Amino acid sequence: DAKTTQPNSMESNEEEPVHLPCNHSTISGTDYIHWYRQLPSQGPEYVIHGLTSNVNNRMASLAIAEDRKSSTLILHRATLRDAAVYYCILRDPNNDMRFGAGTRLTVKP
Amino acid sequence: EPEVTQTPSHQVTQMGQEVILRCVPISNHLYFYWYRQILGQKVEFLVSFYNNEISEKSEIFDDQFSVERPDGSNFTLKIRSTKLEDSAMYFCASRDRTGLGQPQHFGDGTRLSIL
Repeated sequence: DAKTTQPNSMESNEEEPVHLPCNHSTISGTDYIHWYRQLPSQGPEYVIHGLTSNVNNRMASLAIAEDRKSSTLILHRATLRDAAVYYCILRDPNNDMRFGAGTRLTVKP
Repeated sequence: EPEVTQTPSHQVTQMGQEVILRCVPISNHLYFYWYRQILGQKVEFLVSFYNNEISEKSEIFDDQFSVERPDGSNFTLKIRSTKLEDSAMYFCASRDRTGLGQPQHFGDGTRLSIL
């Protein structure tokens, strides 16, 4: 997998939007952008993925830059249960995933 | 919603003993994975499995490790002679065949403690 760069940690206030950035300047044309999160004492959990267009689902939105060299995971209204490590992963459909260190999100009441 | 289940949730084993970690992937999935996470570290890929054979394995997955799909529902990871450094959380994941870029679905893991 191509490399991604994420901030080590971020803080948010409860009920406010959170924008988690990810840089992937070496992304190739076939790489999908996947986001997973890992809550304390749980396995990784799929959040969202996309290729070129912005994506929305019940958990989050994914905004992908026009040149695809960066993306942003948007949690529209953070809750205490959203406190987790968020992983941005590039995935070629034929290859398996490799996790980086991710961004540890802290949500303050 | 279908989920990946792993048993046991916690396994304590003496160093040098064999251990088998068990996973029941989502029923219509065809790709299976094992990952591990040493305490405080990142999730590390171990092996992927498709069509009854290993598709890819990492440098961690040496001769002490093996995987098997003994029947239509279980997917197991065996460590033949455990070492202290095998202590970690082990996560199983599965993926549907259809659709490019489809996500992997993870279990909640087995905590392996080697004494």
